[in-house]
Amino acid sequence: QKEVEQNSGPLSVPEGAIASLNCTYSDRGSQSFFWYRQYSGKSPELIMSIYSNGDKEDGRFTAQLNKASQYVSLLIRDSQPSDSATYLCAGVTSGTYKYIFGTGTRLKVLA
Amino acid sequence: EAQVTQNPRYLITVTGKKLTVTCSQNMNHEYMSWYRQDPGLGLRQIYYSMNVEVTDKGDVPEGYKVSRKEKRNFPLILESPSPNQTSLYFCASRAAKSGTHTDTQYFGPGTRLTVL
Repeated sequence: QKEVEQNSGPLSVPEGAIASLNCTYSDRGSQSFFWYRQYSGKSPELIMSIYSNGDKEDGRFTAQLNKASQYVSLLIRDSQPSDSATYLCAGVTSGTYKYIFGTGTRLKVLA
Repeated sequence: EAQVTQNPRYLITVTGKKLTVTCSQNMNHEYMSWYRQDPGLGLRQIYYSMNVEVTDKGDVPEGYKVSRKEKRNFPLILESPSPNQTSLYFCASRAAKSGTHTDTQYFGPGTRLTVL
């Protein structure tokens, strides 16, 4: 069974700090990875996508991928209370359009 | 406005009574998908479709049917719902690019289904 694993949290960080969210995956065939943010009662929305080893930055967000270690992370700089949400990590296996989601990490940014 | 719509948003039904949840997108996306979300289990893919008349199973297809007769619509059918299908359901769509998975997947607002 292909899996994507995340710590459920909650991860609590003070406002202005860096929040670090982590995800591991079991399928070495996974090619693409996505981070989604989901506010309570709302649908997921895409934050970042990453396909190559290394870092990808977009504003306050940085996604990191290490395929050798099967590890994906999301860093949120200058965390704001509005970043408080559940963050979902997802992987897609090469050659398919099957998305495997982790169970999500709940982030709390304390004002 | 680009969007994915689902109907109904809330549904309470009884065991065995056939139901359909509709999903429609106005972005001319080839790819559409259905997920269920349960506490502690996260989002799990039920079925997906790469284009009209092309569908495939996700991780949890048992008890569900789908059809893709038109590009914009992708209904989810529960022929004989059971209580273990009580869940929050999301439809999603994205453009499909051959060999890559780069496009954003847009989610609908969700349908909360309760089967008694």
